[in-house]
Amino acid sequence: SQQGEEDPQALSIQEGENATMNCSYKTSINNLQWYRQNSGRGLVHLILIRSNEREKHSGRLRVTLDTSKKSSSLLITASRAADTASYFCATALNSGYSTLTFGKGTMLLVSP
Amino acid sequence: GAVVSQHPSWVICKSGTSVKIECRSLDFQATTMFWYRQFPKQSLMLMATSNEGSKATYEQGVEKDKFLINHASLTLSTLTVTSAHPEDSSFYICSATSGRAGTGELFFGEGSRLTVL
Repeated sequence: SQQGEEDPQALSIQEGENATMNCSYKTSINNLQWYRQNSGRGLVHLILIRSNEREKHSGRLRVTLDTSKKSSSLLITASRAADTASYFCATALNSGYSTLTFGKGTMLLVSP
Repeated sequence: GAVVSQHPSWVICKSGTSVKIECRSLDFQATTMFWYRQFPKQSLMLMATSNEGSKATYEQGVEKDKFLINHASLTLSTLTVTSAHPEDSSFYICSATSGRAGTGELFFGEGSRLTVL
């Protein structure tokens, strides 16, 4: 069953703006991961945040995790047209990258 | 990062035929591979987990006789959709890891789009 729920379902912004996507989940987790999927392609792992971490950065990406609220956010700063894709959060009950439960995703459109 | 290759990337078949999709880890030994199914604008739904040399573990609701998974080597897993019907049309994605029990990084294939006429 699906665990993560992203919102918004779709987000349309202009290049240079920041994009924020949120993910909520239902059960306790070991870690939460964000993935990117270009249309009709496979998934690319972006970042993993463990349950004992609150914030993580990777380049233009910033991920936060609030285990008390069972939610996470992905912030993409200074967005580019090439960031246009679907973004999924995925939760793992165990350590590592094993069985993941994916959310429904946020479709991000960045216009030039 | 490591590369996982899926083949074919797309396939069209007639109803009633069987289709095999291959998932290969090109530069690492994949002890565990996962198969997902994704409908348009939907999330990935885990179908099964396969460990090299053992039977696949199927998720609830996934028919193991319908979706045959073989993981005969450390670099290859196959998903065979038997007697395919139009409702089996979907995007199938595999992922692979080099570690058992959830260790190791997870790498995804590019997906295989199946259309059953």
